[in-house]
Amino acid sequence: DIQMTQSPSSLSASVGDRVTITCRASHSVSTYLNWYHQNPGKAPKLLIYAASSLQSGVPSRFSGSGSGTDFTLTISSLQPEDFGTYYCQQSYEIPYTFGQGTKLEIK
Amino acid sequence: EVQVVESGGDLIKPGESLRLSCAASGFTFSNAWMNWVRQAPGKGLEWVGRIKSKTDGGTTDYAAPVKGRFTISRDDSKNTLYLQMNSLKTEDTAVYYCTTDPRIGGRYFQHWGQGTLITVSP
Repeated sequence: DIQMTQSPSSLSASVGDRVTITCRASHSVSTYLNWYHQNPGKAPKLLIYAASSLQSGVPSRFSGSGSGTDFTLTISSLQPEDFGTYYCQQSYEIPYTFGQGTKLEIK
Repeated sequence: EVQVVESGGDLIKPGESLRLSCAASGFTFSNAWMNWVRQAPGKGLEWVGRIKSKTDGGTTDYAAPVKGRFTISRDDSKNTLYLQMNSLKTEDTAVYYCTTDPRIGGRYFQHWGQGTLITVSP
């Protein structure tokens, strides 16, 4: 199975900050890499698919990059609704696997 | 508007069985590949399994922890996805989400239901 490792596991930031979360795959996943955001008690929401494609309706402050084994999610200017947990996920091969999550908290 | 609504969650004992349902609307369900994803309390997300559309063979794939115990099926006439769970274990306790994979520009979980909670406890 492909292991996905996110860093950092937790992060404190302020509204307006630029935030970067990284995701590393144990084997190449090409660009079959997706990012999700989840608030407590809610279902996850798709942000980025295919490494860099912005899901319809997602604000343009979110962007994704990378290919192969190293990927990045960037939030250009953090907003209050952006706090919560972020997950990367590979869809290159079955079984699909997720990173352990990055919890983004208010500083 | 695309909607997927899970139901069937319950409190059950180890070794028992349970069937979850996911009612879909707002898209052509028969063409859709569908997935189940679960989340144990306080933990991260875990992919459970997938079913392809009948036109793509209707085949299923499962994560190792549930293979042989869980079965995903679909009734395209009812726009409904199912997850039959047998020989349940305490470690199957989780919120179970039904998700769509549009397979447009990649493979990803585009739409999610609100989830349904399964608690397996003696």
